[in-house]
Amino acid sequence: EDKVVQSPLSLVVHEGDTVTLNCSYEVTNFRSLLWYKQEKKAPTFLFMLTSSGIEKKSGRLSSILDKKELFSILNITATQTGDSAIYLCAVVTSGTYKYIFGTGTRLKVLA
Amino acid sequence: DAGVTQSPTHLIKTRGQQVTLRCSPKSGHDTVSWYQQALGQGPQFIFQYYEEEERQRGNFPDRFSGHQFPNYSSELNVNALLLGDSALYLCASSGTRQGDGYTFGSGTRLTVV
Repeated sequence: EDKVVQSPLSLVVHEGDTVTLNCSYEVTNFRSLLWYKQEKKAPTFLFMLTSSGIEKKSGRLSSILDKKELFSILNITATQTGDSAIYLCAVVTSGTYKYIFGTGTRLKVLA
Repeated sequence: DAGVTQSPTHLIKTRGQQVTLRCSPKSGHDTVSWYQQALGQGPQFIFQYYEEEERQRGNFPDRFSGHQFPNYSSELNVNALLLGDSALYLCASSGTRQGDGYTFGSGTRLTVV
């Protein structure tokens, strides 16, 4: 059965800290991996990764995929209270349209 | 450019009742997917609609059904509600361009009592 596992489940840091969120997967026919930020209800798109070793970057957020070891990381540098949210990782497999989500990492950034 | 719109935002129903949730996709998107997100869990795929047909379905019972209209909007219907159906129901739209992933709506919070 296809599986996506995120760690840690929750994390509390102080403003200015750097955090690394992990997403590992076991799926058949991997196509892409996506990261979403969910603050209240609507998850908002962060990154889509399809190729190994190519870092995607947006401001203080960056992400990279390792297709050999079957994982991705999401880094957030110089965290701010506005980064407090649930970060969701999802995998899409070939021949299907559904996203397989992990349970998410709940990040809380303290001022 | 309007995003994904869902209605209602909150809903309280009694066990055994039926409910209909609605979704209007982002402008330019023609595909609508529905997800169920229980508290503390990631979203679970219910089904996807494209060209008014159910294109793929997740592991949900037949009590969950849907529809897509010619204007690409969609409905999710749940019959014979159970307490376990209490969740946030998310609608996500997408188009032919694959690079941006889904755009999610803010969801409908369904509480079954």
